[in-house]
Amino acid sequence: DSGVTQTPKHLITATGQRVTLRCSPRSGDLSVYWYQQSLDQGLQFLIQYYNGEERAKGNILERFSAQQFPDLHSELNLSSLELGDSALYFCASNGGVQETQYFGPGTRLLVL
Amino acid sequence: GNSVTQMEGPVTLSEEAFLTINCTYTATGYPSLFWYVQYPGEGLQLLLKATKADDKGSNKGFEATYRKETTSFHLEKGSVQVSDSAVYFCALSDRGGGADGLTFGKGTHLIIQP
Repeated sequence: DSGVTQTPKHLITATGQRVTLRCSPRSGDLSVYWYQQSLDQGLQFLIQYYNGEERAKGNILERFSAQQFPDLHSELNLSSLELGDSALYFCASNGGVQETQYFGPGTRLLVL
Repeated sequence: GNSVTQMEGPVTLSEEAFLTINCTYTATGYPSLFWYVQYPGEGLQLLLKATKADDKGSNKGFEATYRKETTSFHLEKGSVQVSDSAVYFCALSDRGGGADGLTFGKGTHLIIQP
Protein backbone atom coordinates (compact mmCIF):
# COMPACT_ATOMS: atom_id res chain seq x y z
CA ASP A 1 0.00 0.00 0.00
CA SER A 2 1.61 3.25 -1.20
CA GLY A 3 -0.54 5.53 0.97
CA VAL A 4 -1.99 7.25 -2.10
CA THR A 5 -5.74 6.74 -2.52
CA GLN A 6 -7.86 7.24 -5.59
CA THR A 7 -11.61 7.19 -6.08
CA PRO A 8 -13.54 5.80 -7.75
CA LYS A 9 -11.84 2.55 -8.77
CA HIS A 10 -13.99 2.19 -11.85
CA LEU A 11 -16.06 4.64 -13.85
CA ILE A 12 -18.28 3.98 -16.84
CA THR A 13 -19.77 6.89 -18.71
CA ALA A 14 -20.89 8.00 -22.14
CA THR A 15 -19.29 10.15 -24.81
CA GLY A 16 -19.76 13.86 -24.27
CA GLN A 17 -20.04 13.52 -20.50
CA ARG A 18 -17.86 15.00 -17.75
CA VAL A 19 -16.25 13.12 -14.86
CA THR A 20 -14.11 13.95 -11.84
CA LEU A 21 -11.40 11.70 -10.49
CA ARG A 22 -10.13 12.21 -6.98
CA CYS A 23 -6.73 11.62 -5.42
CA SER A 24 -5.50 11.88 -1.84
CA PRO A 25 -1.70 11.99 -1.56
CA ARG A 26 0.42 10.33 1.09
CA SER A 27 0.34 12.13 4.40
CA GLY A 28 2.68 15.12 4.24
CA ASP A 29 3.30 15.00 0.48
CA LEU A 30 2.87 18.37 -1.20
CA SER A 31 3.18 17.28 -4.84
CA VAL A 32 0.54 15.42 -6.82
CA TYR A 33 1.02 14.09 -10.33
CA TRP A 34 -1.55 12.74 -12.78
CA TYR A 35 -0.79 10.11 -15.42
CA GLN A 36 -2.83 8.39 -18.12
CA GLN A 37 -2.16 4.78 -19.08
CA SER A 38 -3.67 3.62 -22.38
CA LEU A 39 -2.89 0.80 -24.77
CA ASP A 40 -1.95 3.22 -27.58
CA GLN A 41 0.06 5.82 -25.71
CA GLY A 42 1.41 3.89 -22.75
CA LEU A 43 1.96 5.83 -19.53
CA GLN A 44 1.91 9.57 -20.06
CA PHE A 45 2.42 12.39 -17.60
CA LEU A 46 -0.48 14.83 -17.61
CA ILE A 47 0.07 17.47 -14.95
CA GLN A 48 1.71 18.21 -11.59
CA TYR A 49 0.55 20.33 -8.68
CA TYR A 50 2.66 21.46 -5.76
CA ASN A 51 1.00 22.83 -2.63
CA GLY A 52 -2.01 24.05 -4.57
CA GLU A 53 -0.18 25.54 -7.54
CA GLU A 54 0.29 24.05 -11.00
CA ARG A 55 3.99 23.13 -11.32
CA ALA A 56 4.40 21.26 -14.62
CA LYS A 57 2.30 20.27 -17.59
CA GLY A 58 2.71 17.25 -19.81
CA ASN A 59 0.48 15.89 -22.54
CA ILE A 60 -2.76 17.09 -21.05
CA LEU A 61 -5.64 17.85 -23.41
CA GLU A 62 -7.48 21.16 -23.16
CA ARG A 63 -10.66 19.21 -22.27
CA PHE A 64 -8.89 18.04 -19.12
CA SER A 65 -8.14 20.14 -16.07
CA ALA A 66 -6.97 19.57 -12.53
CA GLN A 67 -6.71 21.34 -9.24
CA GLN A 68 -5.23 20.78 -5.80
CA PHE A 69 -7.15 21.88 -2.76
CA PRO A 70 -5.88 23.35 0.55
CA ASP A 71 -6.07 19.90 2.17
CA LEU A 72 -3.74 18.76 -0.67
CA HIS A 73 -6.15 16.33 -2.30
CA SER A 74 -6.43 16.73 -6.04
CA GLU A 75 -9.11 16.29 -8.65
CA LEU A 76 -8.75 15.61 -12.35
CA ASN A 77 -11.70 16.80 -14.43
CA LEU A 78 -12.29 15.23 -17.83
CA SER A 79 -14.95 16.81 -20.03
CA SER A 80 -16.50 16.24 -23.47
CA LEU A 81 -15.36 12.66 -23.15
CA GLU A 82 -14.42 10.66 -26.20
CA LEU A 83 -14.00 6.91 -26.70
CA GLY A 84 -10.24 7.43 -26.82
CA ASP A 85 -10.23 8.80 -23.27
CA SER A 86 -10.88 5.31 -21.95
CA ALA A 87 -7.79 4.52 -19.90
CA LEU A 88 -6.35 3.99 -16.44
CA TYR A 89 -5.68 7.27 -14.67
CA PHE A 90 -3.03 7.23 -11.97
CA CYS A 91 -2.21 9.74 -9.34
CA ALA A 92 1.21 9.86 -7.67
CA SER A 93 2.62 11.96 -4.87
CA ASN A 94 5.91 12.89 -3.29
CA GLY A 95 7.32 15.31 -0.83
CA GLY A 96 10.11 17.16 -2.59
CA VAL A 97 12.40 17.64 -5.56
CA GLN A 98 14.61 14.62 -5.08
CA GLU A 99 12.06 12.10 -3.95
CA THR A 100 10.47 9.08 -5.55
CA GLN A 101 6.88 9.29 -6.76
CA TYR A 102 4.43 6.92 -5.07
CA PHE A 103 1.49 5.77 -7.15
CA GLY A 104 -2.12 5.17 -6.26
CA PRO A 105 -4.07 2.12 -7.49
CA GLY A 106 -5.65 4.06 -10.36
CA THR A 107 -9.12 4.82 -11.68
CA ARG A 108 -10.22 2.81 -14.69
CA LEU A 109 -12.38 4.97 -16.98
CA LEU A 110 -14.49 3.42 -19.70
CA VAL A 111 -16.22 5.75 -22.15
CA LEU A 112 -19.01 4.10 -24.15
CA GLY B 1 12.80 15.81 -25.58
CA ASN B 2 13.20 12.96 -23.15
CA SER B 3 12.43 9.40 -24.12
CA VAL B 4 12.82 5.85 -22.81
CA THR B 5 13.07 2.74 -24.96
CA GLN B 6 12.62 -0.76 -23.61
CA MET B 7 11.81 -4.16 -25.04
CA GLU B 8 8.05 -4.69 -24.95
CA GLY B 9 7.77 -8.43 -24.83
CA PRO B 10 6.09 -10.47 -23.69
CA VAL B 11 9.24 -12.03 -22.32
CA THR B 12 8.65 -15.61 -21.22
CA LEU B 13 11.16 -17.39 -19.00
CA SER B 14 11.27 -20.49 -16.88
CA GLU B 15 11.58 -20.24 -13.13
CA GLU B 16 15.19 -19.75 -11.93
CA ALA B 17 16.30 -18.35 -15.30
CA PHE B 18 18.42 -15.22 -15.58
CA LEU B 19 16.55 -12.07 -16.51
CA THR B 20 17.67 -9.02 -18.45
CA ILE B 21 15.29 -6.29 -19.58
CA ASN B 22 17.02 -3.65 -21.64
CA CYS B 23 16.34 0.04 -21.18
CA THR B 24 17.98 2.97 -22.93
CA TYR B 25 17.16 6.62 -22.57
CA THR B 26 17.52 10.03 -24.14
CA ALA B 27 17.53 13.05 -21.87
CA THR B 28 18.57 16.66 -22.06
CA GLY B 29 19.93 16.93 -18.53
CA TYR B 30 21.24 14.52 -15.91
CA PRO B 31 18.25 12.32 -15.19
CA SER B 32 17.41 10.05 -12.34
CA LEU B 33 16.42 6.57 -13.52
CA PHE B 34 13.77 4.24 -12.15
CA TRP B 35 12.29 0.81 -12.59
CA TYR B 36 8.65 0.45 -11.62
CA VAL B 37 6.67 -2.80 -11.53
CA GLN B 38 2.94 -3.24 -12.11
CA TYR B 39 1.29 -6.44 -10.94
CA PRO B 40 -2.03 -7.42 -12.52
CA GLY B 41 -4.85 -5.11 -11.44
CA GLU B 42 -2.58 -2.90 -9.33
CA GLY B 43 -0.82 0.44 -9.49
CA LEU B 44 2.87 1.01 -10.06
CA GLN B 45 5.38 0.21 -7.35
CA LEU B 46 8.92 1.51 -7.30
CA LEU B 47 11.33 -1.39 -7.72
CA LEU B 48 14.65 0.48 -7.68
CA LYS B 49 16.26 3.72 -8.68
CA ALA B 50 19.61 5.38 -9.38
CA THR B 51 20.23 9.09 -9.31
CA LYS B 52 23.68 9.49 -10.84
CA ALA B 53 26.09 7.80 -13.22
CA ASP B 54 27.55 4.45 -12.05
CA ASP B 55 25.01 4.16 -9.23
CA LYS B 56 23.53 0.70 -8.83
CA GLY B 57 19.96 0.36 -7.64
CA SER B 58 18.89 -2.94 -6.11
CA ASN B 59 15.83 -4.45 -4.47
CA LYS B 60 14.31 -7.94 -4.08
CA GLY B 61 17.15 -9.51 -6.06
CA PHE B 62 16.77 -7.08 -8.97
CA GLU B 63 19.63 -4.78 -9.96
CA ALA B 64 20.25 -2.03 -12.49
CA THR B 65 23.32 0.15 -13.05
CA TYR B 66 23.14 3.71 -14.38
CA ARG B 67 25.45 3.76 -17.40
CA LYS B 68 25.90 7.29 -18.72
CA GLU B 69 28.29 6.29 -21.51
CA THR B 70 25.74 3.94 -23.05
CA THR B 71 22.65 5.82 -21.75
CA SER B 72 21.31 2.58 -20.36
CA PHE B 73 19.70 1.22 -17.20
CA HIS B 74 19.19 -2.50 -17.84
CA LEU B 75 17.26 -4.51 -15.25
CA GLU B 76 18.72 -7.87 -14.18
CA LYS B 77 17.84 -10.68 -11.81
CA GLY B 78 19.84 -13.83 -11.33
CA SER B 79 17.00 -16.27 -10.68
CA VAL B 80 13.39 -15.32 -11.41
CA GLN B 81 10.33 -16.68 -9.66
CA VAL B 82 6.73 -17.12 -10.80
CA SER B 83 5.81 -14.25 -8.49
CA ASP B 84 7.98 -11.90 -10.59
CA SER B 85 5.43 -12.10 -13.42
CA ALA B 86 4.35 -8.52 -13.99
CA VAL B 87 4.86 -5.53 -16.29
CA TYR B 88 8.12 -3.64 -15.74
CA PHE B 89 8.51 0.02 -16.65
CA CYS B 90 11.74 1.92 -17.05
CA ALA B 91 11.37 5.64 -16.37
CA LEU B 92 13.39 8.81 -16.05
CA SER B 93 13.09 12.20 -14.49
CA ASP B 94 15.51 14.91 -15.46
CA ARG B 95 14.91 16.90 -12.29
CA GLY B 96 15.87 14.21 -9.83
CA GLY B 97 12.47 12.56 -9.62
CA GLY B 98 10.55 15.27 -7.89
CA ALA B 99 9.80 18.44 -9.74
CA ASP B 100 8.65 17.07 -13.05
CA GLY B 101 6.66 14.21 -14.46
CA LEU B 102 8.28 10.88 -15.16
CA THR B 103 8.89 9.76 -18.74
CA PHE B 104 8.10 6.06 -19.07
CA GLY B 105 9.00 3.36 -21.52
CA LYS B 106 6.20 1.26 -23.01
CA GLY B 107 6.60 -1.47 -20.42
CA THR B 108 7.86 -5.06 -20.66
CA HIS B 109 5.43 -7.84 -19.87
CA LEU B 110 7.32 -10.62 -18.08
CA ILE B 111 5.85 -14.10 -17.76
CA ILE B 112 7.60 -16.68 -15.59
CA GLN B 113 6.56 -20.28 -16.07
CA PRO B 114 7.00 -22.89 -13.33
